[in-house]
Amino acid sequence: EAGVAQSPRYKIIEKRQSVAFWCNPISGHATLYWYQQILGQGPKLLIQFQNNGVVDDSQLPKDRFSAERLKGVDSTLKIQPAKLEDSAVYLCASGRGVHNEQFFGPGTRLTVL
Amino acid sequence: AQRVTQPEKLLSVFKGAPVELKCNYSYSGSPELFWYVQYSRQRLQLLLRHISRESIKGFTADLNKGETSFHLKKPFAQEEDSAMYYCALLWDYKLSFGAGTTVTVRA
Repeated sequence: EAGVAQSPRYKIIEKRQSVAFWCNPISGHATLYWYQQILGQGPKLLIQFQNNGVVDDSQLPKDRFSAERLKGVDSTLKIQPAKLEDSAVYLCASGRGVHNEQFFGPGTRLTVL
Repeated sequence: AQRVTQPEKLLSVFKGAPVELKCNYSYSGSPELFWYVQYSRQRLQLLLRHISRESIKGFTADLNKGETSFHLKKPFAQEEDSAMYYCALLWDYKLSFGAGTTVTVRA
């Protein structure tokens, strides 16, 4: 089966600019996750969707980050405005359910200058 | 609160030597633990989960509730085991990852 797709793979922006990331999960996967991975750290969950509903967004900085999963398939994560500390790899993952294996995409490496 | 601790950032072993990656967790309920691996230029992927009690690529991990540990072991390391390894805990339907251990297996 095709894996989780993410785009773009790399993005460089200046602080205070906006950026959006896109994720296409594996077909049929109900759960979708966005993680932030800062250099030298493990992935940190930002938001978790079950179909098109939010299950958990407790670690999402809602003053600048937003995410949606329209129609329960693709998802976008937006940062507006970006800060230097947002430089990280943003990973998307999907799974059949919360207790099932998570399959990860290749990630988007964001650099904020 | 830090839920998963991987005390070693880097681990270097010779080919054929045993390798053990340490993982400690803090959780009051019944833990569900995983090891994820990321090989060079590849995606993060599941290596094994404790409820499966299986050996994957020669790796095993035993949950020790008394010591709150879930160490990953392999008796004879291979060069292809060189990768980044993450221990993860599922709690409240969320995965919490450790900071990871980079393993280098030298010939």
